[in-house]
Order: sequence, then C-alpha cells, then structure tokens
Amino acid sequence: KAGVTQTPRYLIKTRGQQVTLSCSPISGHRSVSWYQQTPGQGLQFLFEYFSETQRNKGNFPGRFSGRQFSNSRSEMNVSTLELGDSALYLCASSLGVGNTIYFGEGSWLTVV
Amino acid sequence: GESVGLHLPTLSVQEGDNSIINCAYSNSASDYFIWYKQESGKGPQFIIDIRSNMDKRQGQRVTVLLNKTVKHLSLQIAATQPGDSAVYFCAEMNQAGTALIFGKGTTLSVSS
Repeated sequence: KAGVTQTPRYLIKTRGQQVTLSCSPISGHRSVSWYQQTPGQGLQFLFEYFSETQRNKGNFPGRFSGRQFSNSRSEMNVSTLELGDSALYLCASSLGVGNTIYFGEGSWLTVV
Repeated sequence: GESVGLHLPTLSVQEGDNSIINCAYSNSASDYFIWYKQESGKGPQFIIDIRSNMDKRQGQRVTVLLNKTVKHLSLQIAATQPGDSAVYFCAEMNQAGTALIFGKGTTLSVSS
C-alpha cells in the first residue's frame, strides 16, 4: 500500500512568487492535513480537509490556502512568498477524526 | 492553550542501551497521543500511539507510557540500535480529532 505522496520534493522560489504543493493520501484515507516544519518553530499545523471541506485551520496568514479534490488529493498554495516561508511542508492523511495520522516525505521549499 | 513539550532536546546512548524519551503535555482533556520518528531529510514516521484509557502500550522494541495524573508521556526503546538515531516527537491530537500538536523533539544519538 503506497504511503502519502508529495510533489515536488524540492523547489526554489523567489520572494513575491506563489507556489503550489500537491499531496496524494494513502488509499482510502479521506482526511488530509498540512504542516509546516522549520528549525525555529518546529512542526505547526496549517489546515485539514475532509471530503473537500476545510474543517480546521491553524494560525497562519491568509497567504496560505489549500483545497481537496473529490478523489481526496490535496493541494496547498502559498502566495506572495516571503523568506520566512522557507520550510519543509508536510502532508499527512488519516481515515478520519481521531485516527492515526501518517505523513509524507515532505516538500522542501526555499524562498530566495 | 494546548501545548506539548519534551524535557530534553538531545539524548546520547550507547548501542544496546535502553533509551527513554520524555514528553509533558498541558491539556488534561487530550485523549490520543502519538510518537513519531523523523530521520534526516524525511517526514515523521509513526512509531506507536496510545489513548487515554490506557497507561501502557507495547510495540516491537518500543513502549509508550502515559501518566495522566502528571500529564506525562514517555517512549522507551529497548536495545537501542544505530538505526534508531533520529529526532523523536510526541504529538497530542486536538479535541476535534483533526490536528496534531507537536512538541519540539528530542534528538537521539546512538553510538556503537
């Protein structure tokens, strides 16, 4: 059974640009969530989707957005990139509320 | 607010020793906890979980202990191996069951 798959794995963007990251959850998982990991702030929750609906959102500015498709795949978008957005962005999936959450390998974003 | 923390940022052990990694949480209403292992350049990998109706849960070479009285969680690794070297995170699931709140992690270094 394939795990959580994220693309791209590495990318470099310039300040002011926008970026879209993609995630395919584990087959059968309908909940997809996103996390940001930085050395200073650690792992922080961005948002969670279930059946194409955002159910929960972390404390991030509106430049961070996401969506989920009918096949449970998800994308997150960061607009007007800032240097501080450089981070490992992790996608995770689970069967639903209160179930174990499994992570992908992440997308490394560097903003220059 | 909700927060999860770890007592020590680093732990160094010899191969074959038993390792104990500790974690304190602040939300007494939390009922689901997960330990993750993160190797360099990879996403967090599920190790073991425990729900609040249990005090102890065992896996292969790993044991998680939960002390709800003092809001403390620990991960015990038996016969630690060099391959166990990684950053270990405890995470607490939020009350909605949709997101994880992570501690800052403990780096385990195993020397042979």
